[in-house]
Order: sequence, then structure tokens, then C-alpha cells
Amino acid sequence: EPEVTQTPSHQVTQMGQEVILRCVPISNHLYFYWYRQILGQKVEFLVSFYNNEISEKSEIFDDQFSVERPDGSNFTLKIRSTKLEDSAMYFCASKFETGSETQYFGPGTRLLVL
Amino acid sequence: AQSVTQLGSHVSVSEGALVLLRCNYSSSVPPYLFWYVQYPNQGLQLLLKYTTGATLVKGINGFEAEFKKSETSFHLTKPSAHMSDAAEYFCAVSAVFKAAGNKLTFGGGTRVLVKP
Repeated sequence: EPEVTQTPSHQVTQMGQEVILRCVPISNHLYFYWYRQILGQKVEFLVSFYNNEISEKSEIFDDQFSVERPDGSNFTLKIRSTKLEDSAMYFCASKFETGSETQYFGPGTRLLVL
Repeated sequence: AQSVTQLGSHVSVSEGALVLLRCNYSSSVPPYLFWYVQYPNQGLQLLLKYTTGATLVKGINGFEAEFKKSETSFHLTKPSAHMSDAAEYFCAVSAVFKAAGNKLTFGGGTRVLVKP
């Protein structure tokens, strides 16, 4: 069964460093998402992406964040200058089309900023 | 703005007992409703969803949930708990009729412990 994959599974970085989290959505899906879950808190929406542009973003998704679909398969989340409070589990999700409302989630990348 | 409340961050049940996880939502119009499960060190897996039609929906692993518009609820149940049901469960909603996006808004999660 097709699944969303994410790399790396864990990443440790120093405050101020740039990180890129990678996701490979399910191949025929058209909508892509990033969510994050700070330890002990709710899963929070960051951004949605459709037709090669951001369709919606949350207040969390400030200028330090960016997303890209550099080729036909990868979907990346970049944090330009990491802060301690960016430490969280980051989930990628994808969805086939409008009307098919199920989002399929990857296993997550646990990011620790020191 | 939509919001989701899950009553009880932790629930402990005995093996074979009823599992009941509560979810209430706040939305200006009835949204789409979802339950996801997260097993340790894994991603979120869809258990079931309500979009339209029958208000009692059945999902994987013997779970079901009932959409009650008058109560703005979507409680999750399983008649008989199994040890493998130990996990964290998330209720989520998304807007209906949005051209693109349809972000999910999650509740705080309920961690289920199953006692032998």
C-alpha cells in the first residue's frame, strides 16, 4: 500500500542553523501539508500546498519557514534559522483531491534544537 | 474558527471492556470529522471519518463513531478493548467546501492504556 515517507526520522541541530525536512508524498496525490506536534501539545497545522503554491498557512508559519516541491516527488520544509521552540515532531501529509478528504500522514521527523 | 475538545487526556480500560473516547467540536457549520490513531513511534493513521450520509461510521480495528449534530459530538467507541488498542487517539475536523487546503484541526489527544 502506498505511504508517505519522511526523512530523517530524527534530527538534532544547533540553534540558528538551517534544517530541511523531507517528505515523499503518495505519488498521485495533489495536496500536501506540514503539521507539527510540540511534546505534550496538540498537532498543529503549519501549511498546505497545492498546484505549486501555498494555499493556506498558519500564524506559526512565519518568514523562517518555507516549503518547496523541487521535483515531482519530494516536498520539503525548510526552517532557515532554528529556535529552541522549533523542537517538535513534524508530520507531512498528502491528499489525493478535493472531495477525497482523507489526509495520509508520514511517520514524522523529530527535530531537536539545542 | 474551528476547535476540537477531547475530554480526558488519558483513559485506562481493562481488556475486553468498552472503550469510549469523547470528542466535541466547535464550528459555524458541521465540518468533516476524523479519528486518527498514533501507535508509539509511528505516524497518524486514519481510523474512520464522517463526511456525509449515515451518522454512524465504522472504521478499522472494530472502532466506530457517531456524529451527533445536536450535540456537536463525534465520540469514538469500541465494544471490547484489546491490548493492541493501546495508543494515542486524535479527533480532528476540517472545513467542508473549501477549494483547496482543508487543513485539519486536531484535539489534544487521548492516550489509551489497556490493562490485562
